[in-house]
Amino acid sequence: AQKVTQAQTEISVVEKEDVTLDCVYETRDTTYYLFWYKQPPSGELVFLIRRNSFDEQNEISGRYSWNFQKSTSSFNFTITASQVVDSAVYFCALSLYNNNDMRFGAGTRLTVKP
Amino acid sequence: GAVVSQHPSWVICKSGTSVKIECRSLDFQATTMFWYRQFPKQSLMLMATSNEGSKATYEQGVEKDKFLINHASLTLSTLTVTSAHPEDSSFYICSAAWWGNTEQETQYFGPGTRLLVL
Repeated sequence: AQKVTQAQTEISVVEKEDVTLDCVYETRDTTYYLFWYKQPPSGELVFLIRRNSFDEQNEISGRYSWNFQKSTSSFNFTITASQVVDSAVYFCALSLYNNNDMRFGAGTRLTVKP
Repeated sequence: GAVVSQHPSWVICKSGTSVKIECRSLDFQATTMFWYRQFPKQSLMLMATSNEGSKATYEQGVEKDKFLINHASLTLSTLTVTSAHPEDSSFYICSAAWWGNTEQETQYFGPGTRLLVL
């Protein structure tokens, strides 16, 4: 069975600090997808990134970057120069190729203070 | 693109009544829709998966007679909480996905429905 672990329950930083959210996953399948979603206080899940298991290339999108390492089964998310608007709960998730079994981590609540 | 809506966004009902929540894919045809439940400060838990025109597949521990799911068209799925009780109060989120292009592996989520059962 798949499992996603987000060990950091809550993180608090001051604006402009860099912050890394950890995600470790478990699966026996060789083909899978990893995701990060942002859930602001409004509750709506905002899709941030999808990465398939064959693509270990790291990705940067503005202040966001993701580090995917299959050797350690990790898919960490870094926010550079954090802003107050980044305050939200961030979920890491894993799904198998057929997309019928998506598992979420427990989430990390990020608070960015001005 | 890939917009999913839910209605209502908020519902308060009395214990024993039934509540219907709609999930619509606005700009694509969703072959598969998913229903999740999220309790306060907890993660999303998959309740069921539904494919258009067929019966939903429920996760272990989810009562199919209590949470009725209908996926009658490629753009609409409904979740009916029958005889709701206070312990059913939660945040219900749907998501939709479609096959046929490179985006098929991504689920797009609705804004969620907050249910409060008094």
